[in-house]
Amino acid sequence: DSGVTQTPKHLITATGQRVTLRCSPRSGDLSVYWYQQSLDQGLQFLIQYYNGEERAKGNILERFSAQQFPDLHSELNLSSLELGDSALYFCASSVGSWGTQETQYFGPGTRLLVL
Amino acid sequence: SQQGEEDPQALSIQEGENATMNCSYKTSINNLQWYRQNSGRGLVHLILIRSNEREKHSGRLRVTLDTSKKSSSLLITASRAADTASYFCATGGSARQLTFGSGTQLTVLP
Repeated sequence: DSGVTQTPKHLITATGQRVTLRCSPRSGDLSVYWYQQSLDQGLQFLIQYYNGEERAKGNILERFSAQQFPDLHSELNLSSLELGDSALYFCASSVGSWGTQETQYFGPGTRLLVL
Repeated sequence: SQQGEEDPQALSIQEGENATMNCSYKTSINNLQWYRQNSGRGLVHLILIRSNEREKHSGRLRVTLDTSKKSSSLLITASRAADTASYFCATGGSARQLTFGSGTQLTVLP
């Protein structure tokens, strides 16, 4: 158990809909990272927040947005969903702000299926 | 886009044998990390090796890094059935993000 929690575990929705994925980092970790894992794209970094502020942005679509709240939990919002958005979405956390220099602890993921 | 490419894509060995996976990358890095992922689950960090290090050990894991060849290898000695998983290398460079490779699926047969 990494200490990172994600809800829900599974999500089934229809095209055009909007969903919110939630992540709680490990106690003491200030950074939260979001990743998307799909068969065709592999594991892709989406976005990072550090202590409530956006710190790095990867291949995140404009239909997607995220935020980190004062209690450090984070939410990833996916809107106008398309079939191709079906994937595993992971949240990870780390102590510091430079996630490439330290261990990232991954949550169990949310499996999203868009029908 | 994926910076690292693991080789082989899939590897099947008998319990007790050693498993070697390779990772090649394209741009300069500050460090390279290896992660393990059991089927459909979250990734688990295994080891981080910095660009000025050539070799690092952690239990049954041995990682080497050759920055001149832009490659790294992960050796798992005396493999066990529980080592069955996908293994990913991830590179960290000047950008503030880890870039993951496509992974090696390791199957350890009892």
